[in-house]
Amino acid sequence: QKEVEQDPGPLSVPEGAIVSLNCTYSNSAFQYFMWYRQYSRKGPELLMYTYSSGNKEDGRFTAQVDKSSKYISLFIRDSQPSDSATYLCAMSAISGTYKYIFGTGTRLKVLA
Amino acid sequence: NAGVTQTPKFRILKIGQSMTLQCTQDMNHNYMYWYRQDPGMGLKLIYYSVGAGITDKGEVPNGYNVSRSTTEDFPLRLELAAPSQTSVYFCASSYSSYEQYFGPGTRLTVT
Repeated sequence: QKEVEQDPGPLSVPEGAIVSLNCTYSNSAFQYFMWYRQYSRKGPELLMYTYSSGNKEDGRFTAQVDKSSKYISLFIRDSQPSDSATYLCAMSAISGTYKYIFGTGTRLKVLA
Repeated sequence: NAGVTQTPKFRILKIGQSMTLQCTQDMNHNYMYWYRQDPGMGLKLIYYSVGAGITDKGEVPNGYNVSRSTTEDFPLRLELAAPSQTSVYFCASSYSSYEQYFGPGTRLTVT
């Protein structure tokens, strides 16, 4: 079993839809969670960072962590064609570590 | 600021050849990283550095070497290239331990 599981997609949605992207994990010690966005043939860029459980909102993006279910989500409201990219989750157990475990990424297509 | 720059963008190597992937950052970050990204496999950490003169192995270091003589530069050396090293290589740097800034990547094919 992989430590971090992420559906590769592709996930196609119409413009304006609410998108839900998810990762599950097996290591209950994980408590630092990140979401990266990666456009085609580019490097990943950090979107959201959360610690422990709960929600965090930034504009159209909401990151949610459910440690009891070992499940994290990224919601995108009012999705735009410019949101079309691959979304990677990453997580770690230790503060100050440099070793994050990345998911394989979910490819999202927002159709105009 | 240019951020993190990587050269070359693309490279084709023959089996057994060697090469160095260059990475430079102009943000004065102490932490630098090398990842490889294979289709369906996510990002895997090869090596990382917490400052000039200090490097350590990541998850998949075999077949690679690094050095960090300056804060800005973190080259990755491939010795005796093998087809299994065909991948996209990303360099990243960070000020803190979590917000990593990635370069545009180097696409390497070994045939």
